[in-house]
Amino acid sequence: ETGVTQSPTHLIKTRGQQVTLRCSSQSGHNTVSWYQQALGQGPQFIFQYYREEENGRGNFPPRFSGLQFPNYSSELNVNALELDDSALYLCASSLGGLRNNEQFFGPGTRLTVL
Amino acid sequence: AQSVSQHNHHVILSEAASLELGCNYSYGGTVNLFWYVQYPGQHLQLLLKYFSGDPLVKGIKGFEAEFIKSKFSFNLRKPSVQWSDTAEYFCAVNAGTSGTYKYIFGTGTRLKVLA
Repeated sequence: ETGVTQSPTHLIKTRGQQVTLRCSSQSGHNTVSWYQQALGQGPQFIFQYYREEENGRGNFPPRFSGLQFPNYSSELNVNALELDDSALYLCASSLGGLRNNEQFFGPGTRLTVL
Repeated sequence: AQSVSQHNHHVILSEAASLELGCNYSYGGTVNLFWYVQYPGQHLQLLLKYFSGDPLVKGIKGFEAEFIKSKFSFNLRKPSVQWSDTAEYFCAVNAGTSGTYKYIFGTGTRLKVLA
């Protein structure tokens, strides 16, 4: 059974740029959630995709967008990067909608915005 | 707004001591409750969860948590901690209805167990 993988592991961008982060869900999982974890904070829910459609969203602006593909892998896109976007971005996969079962987390992508 | 509060940011215990980590949430509707743990150098992983039924739930590694609806609390307990329990613990709530779900984490509690 393959766990959740994320790429890249680290990324450095400058303000105003755009970034795409990628996530492969655990085998058999059809739901992917994305989180932003700033230093010393808990993960903040960005959004969730279930069967290729957004199924829930946290308090993040529209410049945070996502996609889920037919194989259930997912991308997180952030436009017009700001310094405060520097954080660890976590992807989690699960089977079913948000209420069902546990989420399996990946190792995260560390994004630094200069 | 929905929120999750973890009252203890850092806890230091000796082995065999009892542990209780507080978690309170604010949300008026039906919630599902979770505790996640992150061991040093590892991913977040589920410790235990509450969906419905018996408010006392048991998880892995001897942990348990009690859901007290009237207090909006879901405290984590372990009767006797071990050095290997050193980790960061996160309480989480998911709330909402289909299409509007939100998953809310607390800020975490760093537990250090002294051998």
